[in-house]
Amino acid sequence: GQNIDQPTEMTATEGAIVQINCTYQTSGFNGLFWYQQHAGEAPTFLSYNVLDGLEEKGRFSSFLSRSKGYSYLLLKELQMKDSASYLCAVRDRVSSGSARQLTFGSGTQLTVLP
Amino acid sequence: GAVVSQHPSWVICKSGTSVKIECRSLDFQATTMFWYRQFPKQSLMLMATSNEGSKATYEQGVEKDKFLINHASLTLSTLTVTSAHPEDSSFYICSARDFIGTSGIDTQYFGPGTRLTVL
Repeated sequence: GQNIDQPTEMTATEGAIVQINCTYQTSGFNGLFWYQQHAGEAPTFLSYNVLDGLEEKGRFSSFLSRSKGYSYLLLKELQMKDSASYLCAVRDRVSSGSARQLTFGSGTQLTVLP
Repeated sequence: GAVVSQHPSWVICKSGTSVKIECRSLDFQATTMFWYRQFPKQSLMLMATSNEGSKATYEQGVEKDKFLINHASLTLSTLTVTSAHPEDSSFYICSARDFIGTSGIDTQYFGPGTRLTVL
């Protein structure tokens, strides 16, 4: 199974940088995803890491260390519209007869203040 | 990017009735779709994995006779909540697996969700 931990809430100021951490314990690992979810809406895909290191995508970057079971999402030049819940999700390694599944953390609610 | 639609976006029904929710992948074929449920301020909980042309795989604790899933084509999966009760009120979200990879990776894209309220 999977156990995923991330902070419940974070607050930052417009224009700043914020790092959202995620730690996981897993019996199988086949990639880590970050999703953004605004209230009342479905999650939208932000980033994907399967190898160690940093993946950069505009204002958002995601880092993975498989040996430490650790990832973070880095948001730069924060904007008010970045206020949302950020979900860390780990995908299982393929097992016989089952599709690859995502297990989600509880999400980190980020509030960006003016 | 890949687009997944869901219908209806919200529904209110009386206790004891059944509700059908449709999930469609609009610009790609999805052999696998997933159904999630999300209660307020909680994360997504996987209910079942839907595979085209075969029976769905349900997560532990999810009643397969209550939550009927049909994946009749590569672009459509349906979830029917039978004999709905107030405790079934929740946000139901589907996702479709883009295996070939319009994004270049094997990932899931989510529909906009269906908010179900059972009176």
